[in-house]
Amino acid sequence: KQEVTQIPAALSVPEGENLVLNCSFTDSAIYNLQWFRQDPGKGLTSLLLIQSSQREQTSGRLNASLDKSSGRSTLYIAASQPGDSATYLCATLSYNTDKLIFGTGTRLQVFP
Amino acid sequence: DAGITQSPRHKVTETGTPVTLRCHQTENHRYMYWYRQDPGHGLRLIHYSYGVKDTDKGEVSDGYSVSRSKTEDFLLTLESATSSQTSVYFCAISGGDSRTDTQYFGPGTRLTVL
Repeated sequence: KQEVTQIPAALSVPEGENLVLNCSFTDSAIYNLQWFRQDPGKGLTSLLLIQSSQREQTSGRLNASLDKSSGRSTLYIAASQPGDSATYLCATLSYNTDKLIFGTGTRLQVFP
Repeated sequence: DAGITQSPRHKVTETGTPVTLRCHQTENHRYMYWYRQDPGHGLRLIHYSYGVKDTDKGEVSDGYSVSRSKTEDFLLTLESATSSQTSVYFCAISGGDSRTDTQYFGPGTRLTVL
């Protein structure tokens, strides 16, 4: 059964720092891995999707990498801003379950 | 943003009453999903649909049923609500016609069962 873990559960950094959020998964037989952002009381916003054949994807200040063999993905946020404060979730779509399995998220706070 | 709406956005009900949540999409996409989000558990799939009248169970489907009579609408029904079903419910669609496409989420419904 696929298990997705995100560490740390919470992170607080000063504005301007570059930071890395981690996501690990136990089953490497995946179609893709997705990163989402969730603001308090809101739905999820898709940030990046990495197909299993890809190593990384970039969107603006965000860069996500995928290493299937080690069961890891990272989300790199460059030059963090207070507006980046949110919970970041990763999720994998596995061959075996054919369903999106989510981690429990990293709550990020960027202070001025 | 994907055109996904959920109704109602907030609901308080009593144990034992039936409840129906509605998800509506304007994208005409094939795949639709219902998730629940709870502290400490993250998001978990309840049911999903891969076409009109085609549905399947997710990992936490007990106590829930779904129906999809039109491409644009996916209904989630709690036949007899229990306090353990107090949660935030999210509807999602796949961005294309493949289940491997990016999923886009609605704004959520906060359900409280007293």
